[in-house]
Amino acid sequence: DGGITQSPKYLFRKEGQNVTLSCEQNLNHDAMYWYRQDPGQGLRLIYYSQIVNDFQKGDIAEGYSVSREKKESFPLTVTSAQKNPTAFYLCASSRTGPLTDTQYFGPGTRLTVL
Amino acid sequence: GENVEQHPSTLSVQEGDSAVIKCTYSDSASNYFPWYKQELGKRPQLIIDIRSNVGEKKDQRIAVTLNKTAKHFSLHITETQPEDSAVYFCAARPGSARQLTFGSGTQLTVLP
Repeated sequence: DGGITQSPKYLFRKEGQNVTLSCEQNLNHDAMYWYRQDPGQGLRLIYYSQIVNDFQKGDIAEGYSVSREKKESFPLTVTSAQKNPTAFYLCASSRTGPLTDTQYFGPGTRLTVL
Repeated sequence: GENVEQHPSTLSVQEGDSAVIKCTYSDSASNYFPWYKQELGKRPQLIIDIRSNVGEKKDQRIAVTLNKTAKHFSLHITETQPEDSAVYFCAARPGSARQLTFGSGTQLTVLP
């Protein structure tokens, strides 16, 4: 899991602004994921991508957008349409072959809306 | 879609005692069940996982059991230590999908 980095560690946003969270991995994993974590709750899937130039919505995609132009990178944009964006955001990656289910997580970005 | 329920939400045990956390899932096609440990402010880390063709798996003080008929699986930690204190999450992966559905987490506190 040391091969996944997220930046910045802390991010502050004013209402009405879009912000982009970075996620990079050097594990040569095909699949990447974005989760949102709120206090006292589990991880909820925002978007995931199994291959470059392709991604799918998760359970809570509204107000978020992603791109997957490179295998190593899967940035998440939190748009002004996301009404309650303050949360801890976690990126993960995994292989996609048989019996390659393990997801490895990045260190997370804590986003606060001022 | 898949729904995973996790109990209890908080659990306190004395050092040296055992801890058990239980999860139920809704999709009978789910075939992969990982457990993650998350320390405060840190990333979740996989501690053990089990596939649907296995009923039990152990790794030192940690074990996971799976009952496919009842659609539930449990994490067992024996001889607990203060460093076991963390939030533990269960998850399930339905069928051939790649994405995981997580439970809501259990805050385990091991009292010295």
